[in-house]
Amino acid sequence: DGGITQSPKYLFRKEGQNVTLSCEQNLNHDAMYWYRQDPGQGLRLIYYSQIVNDFQKGDIAEGYSVSREKKESFPLTVTSAQKNPTAFYLCASSRLADRHEQYFGPGTRLTVT
Amino acid sequence: GENVEQHPSTLSVQEGDSAVIKCTYSDSASNYFPWYKQELGKRPQLIIDIRSNVGEKKDQRIAVTLNKTAKHFSLHITETQPEDSAVYFCAAKFGNEKLTFGTGTRLTIIP
Repeated sequence: DGGITQSPKYLFRKEGQNVTLSCEQNLNHDAMYWYRQDPGQGLRLIYYSQIVNDFQKGDIAEGYSVSREKKESFPLTVTSAQKNPTAFYLCASSRLADRHEQYFGPGTRLTVT
Repeated sequence: GENVEQHPSTLSVQEGDSAVIKCTYSDSASNYFPWYKQELGKRPQLIIDIRSNVGEKKDQRIAVTLNKTAKHFSLHITETQPEDSAVYFCAAKFGNEKLTFGTGTRLTIIP
């Protein structure tokens, strides 16, 4: 189903707790991305990584952190500093060569109360 | 940075009629324009894309047109069917830079 997985599908946390969302791909893609999706706001980029051990901030990086220790994995940590963490989080990956298509994971719906 | 505007935000079309969704972009250097379809509760999936050296691309009932001078591109769906109901996102990109997405269009096909 696309070769990119996210877990869990639903996640519930109390306010003030950090939480880490998993993203794994077996497509041998160089680049990986994290998006946040809110109703009426489309897909907003949080962080992206084009190579292992390197990543860049997207448009809404505040309150989030990432790591890219392996090519296959790009976990996202939602910290307590994120003011409105409740959202649908989508991970994606792509090759950097000729094709630009981004393949999306199934998403994680995070609810913080 | 790149800015992508998408219109309309919602669109209802009678089954069998055509649907058109339009996007404008700000960075004249953008050279790649994909369209994604997201069905309810599912992940976005690429349905068609176009590069800046092409003015139009068609795949069965779906077509995309690009006007580089005006910096806008459009998605055309002909002979719409109930399964076309979804949210559609346009996006723009330059080189290996990040994709910038539009805010989405919720398309509803009325039987």
